[in-house]
Amino acid sequence: AQKVTQAQTEISVVEKEDVTLDCVYETRDTTYYLFWYKQPPSGELVFLIRRNSFDEQNEISGRYSWNFQKSTSSFNFTITASQVVDSAVYFCALSRTSGTYKYIFGTGTRLKVLA
Amino acid sequence: NAGVMQNPRHLVRRRGQEARLRCSPMKGHSHVYWYRQLPEEGLKFMVYLQKENIIDESGMPKERFSAEFPKEGPSILRIQQVVRGDSAAYFCASSLGRRELNTEAFFGQGTRLTVV
Repeated sequence: AQKVTQAQTEISVVEKEDVTLDCVYETRDTTYYLFWYKQPPSGELVFLIRRNSFDEQNEISGRYSWNFQKSTSSFNFTITASQVVDSAVYFCALSRTSGTYKYIFGTGTRLKVLA
Repeated sequence: NAGVMQNPRHLVRRRGQEARLRCSPMKGHSHVYWYRQLPEEGLKFMVYLQKENIIDESGMPKERFSAEFPKEGPSILRIQQVVRGDSAAYFCASSLGRRELNTEAFFGQGTRLTVV
């Protein structure tokens, strides 16, 4: 069975602080995809990143970085120098690399960045 | 190149009425997925359709819910005799083909259904 756990329900930080959102997953597949999505207050889903399980290199995109640790089944997301516009719910998701795009989503972490 | 279009964005229905949610996939995409997001929860897979076929409906409630993706026109998620517990955001995603083709899935902006 596949499962994604985001243990942090809500995090509040002050602007310019760094913040890390945790994601732990379970799967029996040897290859899989991991994703992060942002859901701002307006409600749409904004794609942030897709990572294939055989690519364990960490990735940085501007203020965003992702740490994929296959040994601990974690795919954590760090925002550096957070801004108020980063306030949103962030979802981690998992899918197989073959078959359907049946994403398994975590329950999300609500990030509040205070000015 | 328009993205995945869902309409309406907001839908209010009284208990017992029918709700019809529409999803127009991205141009050229023939695979559609529906997800439901209950308040304060993550998205849950409902159904996967290709043109004129339901491929996987393992996440669909057994009663009152149905989905179709006709040869022409948008995909429709239909909820009959809505109840308050159906209030949620319903998201549609579309893709060009199966994952083996290394294609990405794209989400629409969602339809927020409120049952009063």
